[in-house]
Amino acid sequence: DAKTTQPNSMESNEEEPVHLPCNHSTISGTDYIHWYRQLPSQGPEYVIHGLTSNVNNRMASLAIAEDRKSSTLILHRATLRDAAVYYCILRNYGQNFVFGPGTRLSVLP
Amino acid sequence: DTGVSQNPRHKITKRGQNVTFRCDPISEHNRLYWYRQTLGQGPEFLTYFQNEAQLEKSRLLSDRFSAERPKGSFSTLEIQRTEQGDSAMYLCASTPRGQSEQYFGPGTRLTVT
Repeated sequence: DAKTTQPNSMESNEEEPVHLPCNHSTISGTDYIHWYRQLPSQGPEYVIHGLTSNVNNRMASLAIAEDRKSSTLILHRATLRDAAVYYCILRNYGQNFVFGPGTRLSVLP
Repeated sequence: DTGVSQNPRHKITKRGQNVTFRCDPISEHNRLYWYRQTLGQGPEFLTYFQNEAQLEKSRLLSDRFSAERPKGSFSTLEIQRTEQGDSAMYLCASTPRGQSEQYFGPGTRLTVT
């Protein structure tokens, strides 16, 4: 059972930042927050993950609330290629990933 | 460096037939996962291997489904006596030792007519 809540869909303009929210009010102290995305007709792709501190990589940034009950995936400059379904997943060590329906991001030129 | 590959990419079969899919993980990834995805939903976990050992199976994996990973390299997923409800995308993912990120293949789309 998915333990996260995400909006069904979001829109962004090309070259603008995008903030994708995720609520996980029942997160446990050892749950990691993972983000994957799935482009059309492809398998999911790892984006980023974190535990407590904010994380940055070449694809995105992950901002984690101080109480860890929510997080935000930040795409700094959306491109058309970022149009995808974005999944926020909680995972404890040794557990399997449970994907919810995710957020479908549309990027407008 | 090649990614996870899956074959075939598409399979159309008649109800009642058996089908087998193959997944080749990234070299030296010791963990391998199978998922099923239907339209508009996220992937659903089916089963998981660590090396050649099948460590977990979802209750979604009925007795018509069987998966193997001989020698801890490629894996096969077989569905016997296919039903229309088996129509879905079947995804494979692999993970390197000591890490949590899953690397997914492109999937095999199964259509049961």
